[in-house]
Amino acid sequence: GESVGLHLPTLSVQEGDNSIINCAYSNSASDYFIWYKQESGKGPQFIIDIRSNMDKRQGQRVTVLLNKTVKHLSLQIAATQPGDSAVYFCAENFYGSSNTGKLIFGQGTTLQVKP
Amino acid sequence: EAGVAQSPRYKIIEKRQSVAFWCNPISGHATLYWYQQILGQGPKLLIQFQNNGVVDDSQLPKDRFSAERLKGVDSTLKIQPAKLEDSAVYLCASSSQTGGNQPQHFGDGTRLSIL
Repeated sequence: GESVGLHLPTLSVQEGDNSIINCAYSNSASDYFIWYKQESGKGPQFIIDIRSNMDKRQGQRVTVLLNKTVKHLSLQIAATQPGDSAVYFCAENFYGSSNTGKLIFGQGTTLQVKP
Repeated sequence: EAGVAQSPRYKIIEKRQSVAFWCNPISGHATLYWYQQILGQGPKLLIQFQNNGVVDDSQLPKDRFSAERLKGVDSTLKIQPAKLEDSAVYLCASSSQTGGNQPQHFGDGTRLSIL
């Protein structure tokens, strides 16, 4: 079905530590995954994406890992900073009956960075 | 480049009243999306436009919600009559091409409260 879920609703980390946010998706045919960061009162902001023909992609301080065998996605943030505090959403491109696909979002994980 | 612009930022109405939201996508983006984000949840797609045509409106409650993108640029989303359950943030997003397999860029949304 159309379901993307996150393992933990809240993650608290110490400033400077690495953060790992996990996500489980349900549709094995999904071909594209994306992570967004949403700060209070703002719209989701693109962080990083990955296509299903890859298992790892790196950006600036962020890495996304894709494990298609267990339908799992993770976002790693290196040297977490106070400015990283936000809600993080994963989303998958779900086709269903659509030829073009649409993004299905998970519930979100709140990242709290302690100074 | 300028981001996705939305107005108003906040709206408070009573149930059974009508309300309209406006969105101006990133210049040159052919695809425009409207999402509903209920507090504590991820965004849910309501409708997707490619230029001025509807690609997907399968999750739009058509008895009360309507949307248009007459000239293929700006878009409006209307609710008439509003129900208490419509209280949410309404997000507009755009992308250069259609489909869920690419980044969508979001505006900061309109926060709607129904009394």
